[in-house]
Amino acid sequence: KNEVEQSPQNLTAQEGEFITINCSYSVGISALHWLQQHPGGGIVSLFMLSSGKKKHGRLIATINIQEKHSSLHITASHPRDSAVYICAVPHGGATNKLIFGTGTLLAVQP
Amino acid sequence: NAGVTQTPKFQVLKTGQSMTLQCAQDMNHEYMSWYRQDPGMGLRLIHYSVGAGITDQGEVPNGYNVSRSTTEDFPLRLLSAAPSQTSVYFCASSYSGIRRTGELFFGEGSRLTVL
Repeated sequence: KNEVEQSPQNLTAQEGEFITINCSYSVGISALHWLQQHPGGGIVSLFMLSSGKKKHGRLIATINIQEKHSSLHITASHPRDSAVYICAVPHGGATNKLIFGTGTLLAVQP
Repeated sequence: NAGVTQTPKFQVLKTGQSMTLQCAQDMNHEYMSWYRQDPGMGLRLIHYSVGAGITDQGEVPNGYNVSRSTTEDFPLRLLSAAPSQTSVYFCASSYSGIRRTGELFFGEGSRLTVL
C-alpha cells in the first residue's frame, strides 16, 4: 500500500462547481502539505497543516489526524484552477523526507 | 528575493556524461532537497540537506551525488548519466523546524534528457 493515496486521479468540473480532492496516508504525521502544479510545471505550496482547517481565498484544506485523511476544497471553481494538486507527508511520520501522492489532475471547464 | 533558482532549465546529455544541476536559495532556509518527477509517479526525493555540511539520502539516491558547503547552494551531480535518469528535476527549500519541514519553495524545474 502506498503511504500517500489521492483521489480522484482525474477530475473535470464546470466553472463554479465546488471541488473536493482527497488525500489518505498510512503513517502518523506532524504536518501535511498541499501543492499545486500548473501546466508548464511550476510547483507552489498551497497549505501546510497539522490540524483542523486552513483557508486561503477560495481554497480550504482540512485534516483529520485520527483518520489519517485530508481534503482540499475549491469553492466557486474557475478555469485558472486547472492544475495538478499534490499532497505530501513526512515519510515515517516526523522526518524531513517527504512522500508525495501522484496528484489529482483537475480541469475546470468554462 | 529571488526565491529558489535552478539551472539549467533544459539539458540533453549522452549516456555516460556527467553534469551538475545547480540550486540556490536566498531565504536562509536550512532545508534543501532534490526531487525527480516522472510521468505517472509522484515526486520522489533524491537527496536532502538540513544544513550546511549535512546531507542524507532520499528515496532514489543511486546515480546522484550532493554536497552542501553553504546554506545557499545545494548542487545535484549526475556522475555517469543513464537514460533512466531522464526526468524533470525540482529543487525545493524550506525553513526546517524541529521534527518537521516548513512550507516548501520550489525551483522552476530542470528537464533532463539522457540519450
